[in-house]
Amino acid sequence: DGGITQSPKYLFRKEGQNVTLSCEQNLNHDAMYWYRQDPGQGLRLIYYSQIVNDFQKGDIAEGYSVSREKKESFPLTVTSAQKNPTAFYLCASSPEIADQETQYFGPGTRLLVL
Amino acid sequence: GESVGLHLPTLSVQEGDNSIINCAYSNSASDYFIWYKQESGKGPQFIIDIRSNMDKRQGQRVTVLLNKTVKHLSLQIAATQPGDSAVYFCAAIGDSGYSTLTFGKGTMLLVSP
Repeated sequence: DGGITQSPKYLFRKEGQNVTLSCEQNLNHDAMYWYRQDPGQGLRLIYYSQIVNDFQKGDIAEGYSVSREKKESFPLTVTSAQKNPTAFYLCASSPEIADQETQYFGPGTRLLVL
Repeated sequence: GESVGLHLPTLSVQEGDNSIINCAYSNSASDYFIWYKQESGKGPQFIIDIRSNMDKRQGQRVTVLLNKTVKHLSLQIAATQPGDSAVYFCAAIGDSGYSTLTFGKGTMLLVSP
């Protein structure tokens, strides 16, 4: 069964704590993306990666970090510098960056601050 | 830059009616448009797409219309069913090589039995 998985489904963060959201895909896609979704808002791009060991900042990268050590994995770390982290986080992938229109989304992770 | 928006935050229809969800975009260079459906607590699902060299594209029960003159696109859902209840997003991509998708805020479609 091919697809994108995100874990956990819900994540709680304490003040001052870094947390990491997992995103894995077995679609053999080169490009991966992280979006943030707030109530009543469209998806906003945090980071994207065109290929392994490469990633670029999106529109709202401050307070976040990523890595792309493997093609299948694109974890997102929400650092303590992100002052308003409560949101629904969506990971997506596409065959390559030029084919962004064929982005496939994971089920999302909801991050809540304690 | 690109901004993408939808005209109505909520659309309520009766089961069996046709639904029309609208979207406006700002960048006249946008050459590709996508509609996504997002059910509560889930990730967006691709519904249908259209390129700027087309005015209309049909899928199963869905049709997307593109009016480049007024930079407007719409999603039409025929014979709307309760299972169609969800938030619908339009997204646009420009033509500058590695342009990223810009998403609208979404319209909530509520289908009453």
